[in-house]
Amino acid sequence: EADIYQTPRYLVIGTGKKITLECSQTMGHDKMYWYQQDPGMELHLIHYSYGVNSTEKGDLSSESTVSRIRTEHFPLTLESARPSHTSQYLCASSDLGGAPTPGANVLTFGAGSRLTVL
Amino acid sequence: QKEVEQDPGPLSVPEGAIVSLNCTYSNSAFQYFMWYRQYSRKGPELLMYTYSSGNKEDGRFTAQVDKSSKYISLFIRDSQPSDSATYLCAISGDSGYALNFGKGTSLLVTP
Repeated sequence: EADIYQTPRYLVIGTGKKITLECSQTMGHDKMYWYQQDPGMELHLIHYSYGVNSTEKGDLSSESTVSRIRTEHFPLTLESARPSHTSQYLCASSDLGGAPTPGANVLTFGAGSRLTVL
Repeated sequence: QKEVEQDPGPLSVPEGAIVSLNCTYSNSAFQYFMWYRQYSRKGPELLMYTYSSGNKEDGRFTAQVDKSSKYISLFIRDSQPSDSATYLCAISGDSGYALNFGKGTSLLVTP
């Protein structure tokens, strides 16, 4: 059973709308991530956080923003959605160095939020 | 050159077949090698993890790392229809933080 939850699972909205994708985890992980996944493409890191009040942009440029006010919560916001934002957004968390994989950054993923912008 | 290369498939095999999934990578500093499995409409979940070279076995699954060739493999024995999913390799360096994902290989096991 996943301990990381994403809502909404599916969202269809019109261009120009503001949207927030929610992500919450109950594992107490310090590190959280947002990835973008498109068919036939690699997962691309768009944002990450190593703790409360810490956020960084990832490898893939994104017009979205994130916040980390509480350890368990890492929402992603798009101020004005466009069709180019249509994608699957995956939230993940990790506990680097924890057992049973010390040293490895093993991610636990949510089920994803599928966003379609018309 | 991409950090990680993975053939996206699709790969279709009959039930009971041995499946071989592979990735190549470019950075010899990579130390951590992971395989994730992703079912349709779900997020990826960790399947296997290995550190440095060698083999690791877990039930019907075997992960193999050949650092001299920069080549990693996942073998599935006695494949089942429930193994039908996309398999993603993920590789990182000694710091362990930054994961480089392959595109994923779509596998279909037919009854």
